Amino acid sequence: NAGVTQTPKFQVLKTGQSMTLQCAQDMNHEYMSWYRQDPGMGLRLIHYSVGAGITDQGEVPNGYNVSRSTTEDFPLRLLSAAPSQTSVYFCASSYLVNTEAFFGQGTRLTVV
Amino acid sequence: AQTVTQSQPEMSVQEAETVTLSCTYDTSESDYYLFWYKQPPSRQMILVIRQEAYKQQNATENRFSVNFQKAAKSFSLKISDSQLGDAAMYFCAYTSGTYKYIFGTGTRLKVLA
Repeated sequence: NAGVTQTPKFQVLKTGQSMTLQCAQDMNHEYMSWYRQDPGMGLRLIHYSVGAGITDQGEVPNGYNVSRSTTEDFPLRLLSAAPSQTSVYFCASSYLVNTEAFFGQGTRLTVV
Repeated sequence: AQTVTQSQPEMSVQEAETVTLSCTYDTSESDYYLFWYKQPPSRQMILVIRQEAYKQQNATENRFSVNFQKAAKSFSLKISDSQLGDAAMYFCAYTSGTYKYIFGTGTRLKVLA
């Protein structure tokens, strides 16, 4: 069982470029979310989804878009990359509220 | 707003010894869940242990146990018989009635041989 799969694992972008981070889960979880991890700041919520067709903003949504067309997939789009978006990005999913979150392996993104 | 605080950026422990990582949180909710996640150099986030706030008994998973003090809003992680493989970043996390998780800033644990 794959769990939560994120691609790519590493990415370097130039300022102004756009890209999509892919996230897929095979556990039939309704809840999916994207976090970014920065040194000394823990993980901060970017966007989340409670089911197909439903998304909402988290703590740090600016510069990112998401969509949820299926239960399995929850891609994160960087519209115009900026150096401030250099970070490690994690996709997570959970089955019910108050249950553990399962994480993907993370994407290390560098914007130059 | 709920917050999670880990006041120890870095801790060291001798192999086979015991270490305690601290976590405090702030919430007005009465029903919530707390977690400790381990992040080794591989970057993968691994659940170590979870605690339901309505349970008075402290959770235990093999060498890992928590000291949950609800009134003090404290949730520390004790690692017994520390092993080299325990070296990692440890995050305390909180959730209450939603799918959102609030994370602390993490504690980097070094295990000395």
